[in-house]
Amino acid sequence: GAVVSQHPSWVICKSGTSVKIECRSLDFQATTMFWYRQFPKQSLMLMATSNEGSKATYEQGVEKDKFLINHASLTLSTLTVTSAHPEDSSFYICSASDTSTGYGYTFGSGTRLTVV
Amino acid sequence: GENVEQHPSTLSVQEGDSAVIKCTYSDSASNYFPWYKQELGKRPQLIIDIRSNVGEKKDQRIAVTLNKTAKHFSLHITETQPEDSAVYFCAAASGGYQKVTFGTGTKLQVIP
Repeated sequence: GAVVSQHPSWVICKSGTSVKIECRSLDFQATTMFWYRQFPKQSLMLMATSNEGSKATYEQGVEKDKFLINHASLTLSTLTVTSAHPEDSSFYICSASDTSTGYGYTFGSGTRLTVV
Repeated sequence: GENVEQHPSTLSVQEGDSAVIKCTYSDSASNYFPWYKQELGKRPQLIIDIRSNVGEKKDQRIAVTLNKTAKHFSLHITETQPEDSAVYFCAAASGGYQKVTFGTGTKLQVIP
């Protein structure tokens, strides 16, 4: 079945630094990938839709200059949290849909970001 | 945009009993409804999904029903087991590549 790999699985960084998270579709091509944020005991909130070869579409309230998304190929999307602050600490998770089937969103394993 | 409501937020059942989680959605264009199970600290795992041209789908102890007219869908777990304990999310999406809107989640506890 479809596999989505996400790295790193956890990261601790200092305030003011930037962190890059990678999301790869291992055995399928994904024109579109999605980035979610999940706070403890809460649901997944969509941050942005990553489109291969074009600009990402951000949800209302998500700062595009803070959360940089790059979808350079059909198998890789990256999320960079710039100038991270403690309030950015969260579980970030990506998902992708196999374009050949159109359905069946597969999630990456998630990245636990802690900003100290 | 789409709005998905999910109830209850917590559910405790005795092992062997059934569990039912209900969701409603607002966008009549939504035509794909997946359910995910998420264990603590792990990624959501797709457990079952249903498309709008189907009213019911079953996979062993898990079943999902969809009422397009009323815009609600439900997850049914029969013969619950302790390993079913997790947070369950319903979701709605329109089209194969469109964003998925999640419900608020239901924490299911199966008591041995």
